[in-house]
Formats: sequence, C-alpha cells, structure tokens
Amino acid sequence: DAKTTQPPSMDCAEGRAANLPCNHSTISGNEYVYWYRQIHSQGPQYIIHGLKNNETNEMASLIITEDRKSSTLILPHATLRDTAVYYCIVRVYNQGGKLIFGQGTELSVKP
Amino acid sequence: ETGVTQTPRHLVMGMTNKKSLKCEQHLGHNAMYWYKQSAKKPLELMFVYSLEERVENNSVPSRFSPECPNSSHLFLHLHTLQPEDSALYLCASSQGTGASNYGYTFGSGTRLTVV
Repeated sequence: DAKTTQPPSMDCAEGRAANLPCNHSTISGNEYVYWYRQIHSQGPQYIIHGLKNNETNEMASLIITEDRKSSTLILPHATLRDTAVYYCIVRVYNQGGKLIFGQGTELSVKP
Repeated sequence: ETGVTQTPRHLVMGMTNKKSLKCEQHLGHNAMYWYKQSAKKPLELMFVYSLEERVENNSVPSRFSPECPNSSHLFLHLHTLQPEDSALYLCASSQGTGASNYGYTFGSGTRLTVV
C-alpha cells in the first residue's frame, strides 16, 4: 500500500501558485519523497524529489517539514498545462526501491 | 521523447489472440518495470527486472508473461486475456532498484483494449 495521503482534488487559478500537500507520517529516515505527475493517459513525469532539505528545480519547489511527516509541492505560477494528477510517493528502500503509487491529487488549473 | 519508448501506442485484441508489448530504453538504466493502470485507479506494479533478472512478480496472472532479453528491452507477452485486462500498460526504467535516490523514467504507455 501507498504510504502517503493526499487530497483527491484541488483547483488553482491560472498564474497563481499551486500548493499540493502530502502526509507521510510513517516515513523512515532514509526514504526519499518523490513527486510525479500524470497528464491524462500519458506516462507519469518526474517532477522533484528530496530527503530532508527543501528542493527547487525549474518545475517546482518541494518543502519538507522538519519532522519529515509531511511535504508540499509548490508550482509557483500554475498554467493550464499543469492540469494533471500529482502523485506524492515515498520510495520504499528495503523493497527494491519500487515506486508505489497512491490515488494522487487531481489538480485543475482554471483560467 | 522521454527516453523510454513503448510500442504499440494502442492495441485492440481479441480474447484468443496472442500479442506482445515492447519497451525500449537507451538511458543506460539497469532496472525496468511494468505497471498497469486501469480506469480511475492508481498505477499497479506488475513486474520488476534488475540486471535482466526478474526480481518481483506481484501476483500477476500467468496470461501476462514478461521477458527481458537485455538491459535495454522489456516485453510483455499477452495471451487469452479478459476484457477486464483492458488498461494502460506503462513501462519504466531506473538506474538501480535499491537506492532511494534514483527516480524512474516512464514511457507513454500502451492503451490495450480486449474485446
């Protein structure tokens, strides 16, 4: 089973920041938090990952709380093309590192 | 282009047919995966191959038969499927399976319809 909890859906206005929360209260010390997104019927796309420090790349920022029990993915200026299902995944280290997907958050960016 | 190529993109097959899905990666990765995504459901991990050896089979019915002839190619052989097997089949690859720092690269998937 997935080790993360996400809201099933969120809306965001175009041009505004989209903040997607994720709870992973049972995360272990050497497990990473990964974010992927899946645009309708395409393969999931890697966004960002982190262990304990905040991370930023050209797509998004990842904020991980100090206790590592939750994180937030931030899309700073959402566009209509960011409409997708966003998956927060904890990489299970001792099970071959496989990615276990949960239900994700369906983000709708509206004009 | 994601670096992982899946063919065909779409496949319609009868329940008595035999077909194969193909996945190819030229990223230098040494692990490959098959996932199944049914409508309105999360991705389900089916098979894991590491260094061309199957390391995981998640209780997948025998009508799905994977094959990994080398580190760049992965096949999923299909026979006597059922309509409920209709889904998006996704292939992914990664550099290693044991370390948490390695992300996956996914292909665009094969949309399979069993009639």
